[in-house]
Amino acid sequence: DAKTTQPNSMESNEEEPVHLPCNHSTISGTDYIHWYRQLPSQGPEYVIHGLTSNVNNRMASLAIAEDRKSSTLILHRATLRDAAVYYCILRSSGGSNYKLTFGKGTLLTVNP
Amino acid sequence: NAGVTQTPKFQVLKTGQSMTLQCAQDMNHEYMSWYRQDPGMGLRLIHYSVGAGITDQGEVPNGYNVSRSTTEDFPLRLLSAAPSQTSVYFCASSYLTGDTQYFGPGTRLTVL
Repeated sequence: DAKTTQPNSMESNEEEPVHLPCNHSTISGTDYIHWYRQLPSQGPEYVIHGLTSNVNNRMASLAIAEDRKSSTLILHRATLRDAAVYYCILRSSGGSNYKLTFGKGTLLTVNP
Repeated sequence: NAGVTQTPKFQVLKTGQSMTLQCAQDMNHEYMSWYRQDPGMGLRLIHYSVGAGITDQGEVPNGYNVSRSTTEDFPLRLLSAAPSQTSVYFCASSYLTGDTQYFGPGTRLTVL
């Protein structure tokens, strides 16, 4: 599986935007970029995913670089409930596409 | 829908004891999997199943058995618990070729 690199931790203030980066320089053409997050004492939950174009949903936006070697998860207005570990995961569209390989993720702290 | 449910929430075992962690989903998902999460680490895949009657090993299968007799249930068995199996266990499910995995709330297991 192609590898992703994320900062260990980031800090934000409430109601400010947060940009969580992810590097994936060895991404292949069939790899989707997925983001999951894990709130304290809970199981991971899906946030967003994309292939080439930027994506928006009710939770966040995903900005994908033109060469696809990096991406950024954007939380437009952070709340205290967004404090979590955020995982950037590459998932192939073929073969074993049901497997998720988790790294250590980025621990996001949101200050009131 | 209840989603993915796991029982028990907490369990303490003595070395050598056996037990079964239960996982059930009511979304008619074909794919189910078990992960473990150790402190400060991402999730690691233990076993997975792509449908009733079909199971396979993940990244860290030693010491664990699984079976999949129905679409809904995917129990994880520890035949002889060891302290190294102290961890939080998460069950997940998804459509076979779907993009989103749904996780249960986890079982926190301590082996003394």
